[in-house]
Amino acid sequence: GNSVTQMEGPVTLSEEAFLTINCTYTATGYPSLFWYVQYPGEGLQLLLKATKADDKGSNKGFEATYRKETTSFHLEKGSVQVSDSAVYFCALSDPLDMNSGGYQKVTFGTGTKLQVIP
Amino acid sequence: GAGVSQSPSNKVTEKGKDVELRCDPISGHTALYWYRQSLGQGLEFLIYFQGNSAPDKSGLPSDRFSAERTGGSVSTLTIQRTQQEDSAVYLCASRGSGTGFMEAFFGQGTRLTVV
Repeated sequence: GNSVTQMEGPVTLSEEAFLTINCTYTATGYPSLFWYVQYPGEGLQLLLKATKADDKGSNKGFEATYRKETTSFHLEKGSVQVSDSAVYFCALSDPLDMNSGGYQKVTFGTGTKLQVIP
Repeated sequence: GAGVSQSPSNKVTEKGKDVELRCDPISGHTALYWYRQSLGQGLEFLIYFQGNSAPDKSGLPSDRFSAERTGGSVSTLTIQRTQQEDSAVYLCASRGSGTGFMEAFFGQGTRLTVV
């Protein structure tokens, strides 16, 4: 079955530091890959996505590239801010019925807590 | 409402009691998901509803868990004879339908504590 493995946290960085959160996956076929973010006291939000190999998802300064050869989707940001402090979840889904939005259940990693200090 | 609404936000129950958790999806969204978030365990898929199709119940951990979706809108997750290991945050998400990728929107969850 599908699975997602991401680096354990918590990760503590100083403001303006470079961020990498590693994510690798196991899946049959060609899954779509996502990063979700959960800010303190809020629900999960989609941060970025990539639907095929070599795609780069980007949003709010974060980037992740779909690497099929290494089955990875590492999250990066060049300069983190205190407001980036949150829990980040890597996730994947098999695209099935494209006429209904294309995605059924999403498999999540365990989450990585990021704390950015001023 | 503007987003996915879940109630109650917190629930403390005694072991052996039944609980019902409610999810109000975004109006018009045809797909609805339940996940369970346990400490250090990530998000565990429980059940998925898509329109009038039979739900995907493959993630329900035992027959004590059940869910229904009335009228294609509100969903209720029921846990019977609760156990301490059921303590977790239960998350609901909904998604619209159409061609291409449609984002799933999550509620803030119900924190269930079984004592």
